[in-house]
Amino acid sequence: GAVVSQHPSRVICKSGTSVKIECRSLDFQATTMFWYRQFPKQSLMLMATSNEGSKATYEQGVEKDKFLINHASLTLSTLTVTSAHPEDSSFYICSAKDRVDQPQHFGDGTRLSIL
Amino acid sequence: RKEVEQDPGPFNVPEGATVAFNCTYSNSASQSFFWYRQDCRKEPKLLMSVYSSGNEDGRFTAQLNRASQYISLLIRDSKLSDSATYLCVVTGGSYIPTFGRGTSLIVHP
Repeated sequence: GAVVSQHPSRVICKSGTSVKIECRSLDFQATTMFWYRQFPKQSLMLMATSNEGSKATYEQGVEKDKFLINHASLTLSTLTVTSAHPEDSSFYICSAKDRVDQPQHFGDGTRLSIL
Repeated sequence: RKEVEQDPGPFNVPEGATVAFNCTYSNSASQSFFWYRQDCRKEPKLLMSVYSSGNEDGRFTAQLNRASQYISLLIRDSKLSDSATYLCVVTGGSYIPTFGRGTSLIVHP
């Protein structure tokens, strides 16, 4: 089946640090990638939709200057949490799909802890 | 009204039981439907796509009712390992997947 690799799986860093998370589709070309955030015992919240070669579309309430998304190729999208603060601590998950009618496949997620 | 609604549960059932979840959606133009399962502190994993004619994969059966705008997931002969949160995902005209909040299933011995 389709494989999506997300790296790193765990990040612990100080407040004010910028953190970059990578999401790669390993065996298919991902025309669309999605970035989600999930707080404990809550549902997945879509942050942004990213199409290769174009600017990401952010959901309402998600600051695009804080959560920088780059989808430079059909196999790689990155999310950078700039100047992270403790309230940004969460589980960040990416997903990718190759066709609009196909299911999305998720990366393993990145558990971000800001001290 | 939320776009995709699920009963959060938890559904607490004994091993061997049959359990069913429903998921309603509001956008009548929705095109694609999926069930995912998510284990605690893990990423969602695709369980099965849902086709108009209904489909079965082992102990799991998924059905789509377009007239009433809901999809269902039936699990037969529940196993302890089926304990998880089941997420329904609906993709509409914008092709952005919309997740339900998930239904929690606990299968006990």
